Amino acid sequence: DQQVKQNSPSLSVQEGRISILNCDYTNSMFDYFLWYKKYPAEGPTFLISISSIKDKNEDGRFTVFLNKSAKHLSLHIVPSQPGDSAVYFCAAEGTSYDKVIFGPGTSLSVIP
Amino acid sequence: DTGVSQNPRHKITKRGQNVTFRCDPISEHNRLYWYRQTLGQGPEFLTYFQNEAQLEKSRLLSDRFSAERPKGSFSTLEIQRTEQGDSAMYLCASAANTGELFFGEGSRLTVL
Repeated sequence: DQQVKQNSPSLSVQEGRISILNCDYTNSMFDYFLWYKKYPAEGPTFLISISSIKDKNEDGRFTVFLNKSAKHLSLHIVPSQPGDSAVYFCAAEGTSYDKVIFGPGTSLSVIP
Repeated sequence: DTGVSQNPRHKITKRGQNVTFRCDPISEHNRLYWYRQTLGQGPEFLTYFQNEAQLEKSRLLSDRFSAERPKGSFSTLEIQRTEQGDSAMYLCASAANTGELFFGEGSRLTVL
């Protein structure tokens, strides 16, 4: 059973516009959520996170929104840049020192 | 600090052979994770350590897989009697007391 879902395998966005990547989870015990970015032939790199006690966290061009009742989170990138083209993974964690579960990823292409 | 280091980066082996991967985490990170990633999929949890204690092992991991973290520093992942289905990227990550994982660049295994 896939506990973290990213239903859009790919997304194309024009440079300068907003990119919205979505993620759904099924386990209500998750209380910490992370987004990772991955370029080919590299390991994933941490982007931004959000605790379940918040509904929004912002870091520069990146904002993550959390809707606990819907078990849904989204990553907004604005404005999108060609260098943002990568695979984005949503991840979730339960109580502290628990395993981190990743979604299947969304491949973002930002078109110049 | 040079980040998480994994060796070897690439390994090609024949079916039935044993392979071992090594991960050197960021110093003072007490959590260490192993993931497996295949093309088009997100990182799949294999096992994780809190210091030298192995706290959880995925049910997906057969008895051919074993991981150790002696002295709570580096870790090794051994696969015995490799099968073609073991071909994947094996990712190691470490973390301090926050949820943020820092990944290495991975060890790619090809089983012929």
